[in-house]
Amino acid sequence: GESVGLHLPTLSVQEGDNSIINCAYSNSASDYFIWYKQESGKGPQFIIDIRSNMDKRQGQRVTVLLNKTVKHLSLQIAATQPGDSAVYFCAERGAQKLVFGQGTRLTINP
Amino acid sequence: DTAVSQTPKYLVTQMGNDKSIKCEQNLGHDTMYWYKQDSKKFLKIMFSYNNKELIINETVPNRFSPKSPDKAHLNLHINSLELGDSAVYFCASSTHGLANEQFFGPGTRLTVL
Repeated sequence: GESVGLHLPTLSVQEGDNSIINCAYSNSASDYFIWYKQESGKGPQFIIDIRSNMDKRQGQRVTVLLNKTVKHLSLQIAATQPGDSAVYFCAERGAQKLVFGQGTRLTINP
Repeated sequence: DTAVSQTPKYLVTQMGNDKSIKCEQNLGHDTMYWYKQDSKKFLKIMFSYNNKELIINETVPNRFSPKSPDKAHLNLHINSLELGDSAVYFCASSTHGLANEQFFGPGTRLTVL
């Protein structure tokens, strides 16, 4: 069945450093992937997406990398700021639904 | 200017009661979803409606009954509440019914005592 997992449930970084959040997926037929950010007490918020015909996509301070060979997805956040503290979810699209990973909690040290 | 709204934000109730959560979106989307997020933050889809028709029902107990009076609303009614129903419930919406980028509501924290 489908499953999306994360290598690390928690990640702590220094303010100003780059953050890398990893995600493994199991469905090689998945054609679309999304990263969401969920701040405390709020709903998940879209960050960036990538289609399976791409291996890299950049946004403002964020980059998503897709390695279909090893079914791995990563989210890179440049110059991490206190406002980046949140739980980050990867999700893959399959069969008319999104399957979410467990989530990684990112904390920022001053 | 809220895109996806849910009411109530908090819901505390006794076991065995029946309760409803309402969801509305003003984005003009044709597909709406209900998700359940447990205490470990795991987010799992429960239902999906496209143009008022049910397209996904993820083996949710039939105590849960979604109702979509129109494309902009998807309500969730829960009968005979159980302790295990305690969670945060999120409504979401998207276009085209193909699980594209989904916009989430703020969530409803349900606590069953």
